[in-house]
Amino acid sequence: DAGVTQSPTHLIKTRGQQVTLRCSPKSGHDTVSWYQQALGQGPQFIFQYYEEEERQRGNFPDRFSGHQFPNYSSELNVNALLLGDSALYLCASSPSTHRGRFGNTIYFGEGSWLTVV
Amino acid sequence: SQQGEEDPQALSIQEGENATMNCSYKTSINNLQWYRQNSGRGLVHLILIRSNEREKHSGRLRVTLDTSKKSSSLLITASRAADTASYFCATDSSSNTGKLIFGQGTTLQVKP
Repeated sequence: DAGVTQSPTHLIKTRGQQVTLRCSPKSGHDTVSWYQQALGQGPQFIFQYYEEEERQRGNFPDRFSGHQFPNYSSELNVNALLLGDSALYLCASSPSTHRGRFGNTIYFGEGSWLTVV
Repeated sequence: SQQGEEDPQALSIQEGENATMNCSYKTSINNLQWYRQNSGRGLVHLILIRSNEREKHSGRLRVTLDTSKKSSSLLITASRAADTASYFCATDSSSNTGKLIFGQGTTLQVKP
């Protein structure tokens, strides 16, 4: 049973460019969240997708957007990259429970390292 | 914003010793989850403890939760060099939304 998989593992972009990161959730999981982890910090919640809709959003600008596909996989897009966007981007998945409620174990992928130069 | 505060920020022990890390949080929770992160890698889930539980065990790991003090602790017994990593606690609010709020983490070094 594959866990949460992310791609690419590393990438380098130039300021002002756009980037797309991809995530496949653990088998049986329908909820995907994205986190940003700056060096030496704990992960920060970006947003959560469930039933192909953004359900919750953290304190991130509109330059950060996402999508969830019918197979539950997800993409994170960041436009107009800034140097400060350099970080490890983590995808997390979990199964929803009855009536779309949560509160289950949340599994993380290995992350995508983004460097903006 | 960070919900949790881990204490200590860094811990260095000898192999075979026990390691205790503490986590405090600010708001009511549905559950608290502990994760391990090796340098530059993803997060590995260790234990989930729910707000109505006081203690859970998994192998050499023991987690306690005190909701009256809004705190949790992670005990690793008989530590090994392979336990060297950063450890994070993360809380899911009482709204049960599946959104985790992390602390800053404790960096554990286990010397052989």
